[in-house]
Amino acid sequence: EAGVTQFPSHSVIEKGQTVTLRCDPISGHDNLYWYRRVMGKEIKFLLHFVKESKQDESGMPNNRFLAERTGGTYSTLKVQPAELEDSGVYFCASSQVQGGVAEQFFGPGTRLTVL
Amino acid sequence: SQQGEEDPQALSIQEGENATMNCSYKTSINNLQWYRQNSGRGLVHLILIRSNEREKHSGRLRVTLDTSKKSSSLLITASRAADTASYFCATVTFNDMRFGAGTRLTVKP
Repeated sequence: EAGVTQFPSHSVIEKGQTVTLRCDPISGHDNLYWYRRVMGKEIKFLLHFVKESKQDESGMPNNRFLAERTGGTYSTLKVQPAELEDSGVYFCASSQVQGGVAEQFFGPGTRLTVL
Repeated sequence: SQQGEEDPQALSIQEGENATMNCSYKTSINNLQWYRQNSGRGLVHLILIRSNEREKHSGRLRVTLDTSKKSSSLLITASRAADTASYFCATVTFNDMRFGAGTRLTVKP
């Protein structure tokens, strides 16, 4: 079974540019999560999709970030315009709910560097 | 806001020694999970302990959970150089997970 995949693995952009990250969850997983880790700090929750609906987006830092999951399959996270503090590793995870206790399967992450 | 807080932030030991990492949290949970991240790679799930469990083993890993103290510990026995990584605890409430800042473990050969 294929795991969670993310694209690209690395992205280097200049401040003010736009970047779109993609996450493909494990097939059949309704839950999809985005997390971010800024260097040396905690892994921070960004948002949670259940199928195509945003269940919780309380972790989204500001309106420069837009996440979508059209059709309830893959998801994209767009940063526009990117700022220096957006640099970090963006992780995606997916899970299938089983009685409310769910192991999340993580992708390898996308390392974003904003210059 | 973040839930789990790991302690210590960094730990350096010799190969063969045991490593203990602690995690404290603030609210009630359904389960607590430990993950490992090798440098430049994604998170790998290690072990899940439910709120009604007190101890769980998986190979060289032993996890304890004390819900009265809202704390958990991860013990890695007979550590190896390959165990060098960052370790994170994550608390799960319903279907939402929150991570801490992690413990950076270095195992010297």
